[in-house]
Amino acid sequence: QQPVQSPQAVILREGEDAVINCSSSKALYSVHWYRQKHGEAPVFLMILLKGGEQKGHEKISASFNEKKQQSSLYLTASQLSYSGTYFCGTDQDQGGKLIFGQGTELSVKP
Amino acid sequence: DTAVSQTPKYLVTQMGNDKSIKCEQNLGHDTMYWYKQDSKKFLKIMFSYNNKELIINETVPNRFSPKSPDKAHLNLHINSLELGDSAVYFCASSHLYGYTFGSGTRLTVV
Repeated sequence: QQPVQSPQAVILREGEDAVINCSSSKALYSVHWYRQKHGEAPVFLMILLKGGEQKGHEKISASFNEKKQQSSLYLTASQLSYSGTYFCGTDQDQGGKLIFGQGTELSVKP
Repeated sequence: DTAVSQTPKYLVTQMGNDKSIKCEQNLGHDTMYWYKQDSKKFLKIMFSYNNKELIINETVPNRFSPKSPDKAHLNLHINSLELGDSAVYFCASSHLYGYTFGSGTRLTVV
């Protein structure tokens, strides 16, 4: 039931792009994305509700392919502040309960 | 004003003790949750309350008992603490979209 994220870790230089994927074996009602910095709480980035919908703000966007039960998070022109662990959370039954992936650790170096 | 506040932030206690964690949200959200994050950063849902009513109770040992006196508060009481209970416990609340997490309580059982 737990969605699978890939890659597990990625190291970038400032200004580089990254993609984080989230795959589920079950049909999804929605996908959430969160970022957690070390020692802090996860912070909500965005939610995707419809298949094929792409959402985003500034240089972070995401897509959701309902048929493939997959979502991807796109980080473009990465900044040092993007460092942290990214989690996808999947809602499989419209009940609001999120099941989180194992996380992807992103490090952005100068 | 902190949106979701948890106390205490750190808790160090001996095996066999009983302890409580308190959570309060001032966002007016109807639903609150307890999540446990282990040392591998895996975020697992424990309980969910909607307007004081328990709606999700995952397979959590019955040593863990949540209580919601009103929709702004959700507390977690743990009896007979065990070494394996050591983790970070996050409270969260949600309305229609997205979770807001509290800052977490790091519980260490020695």
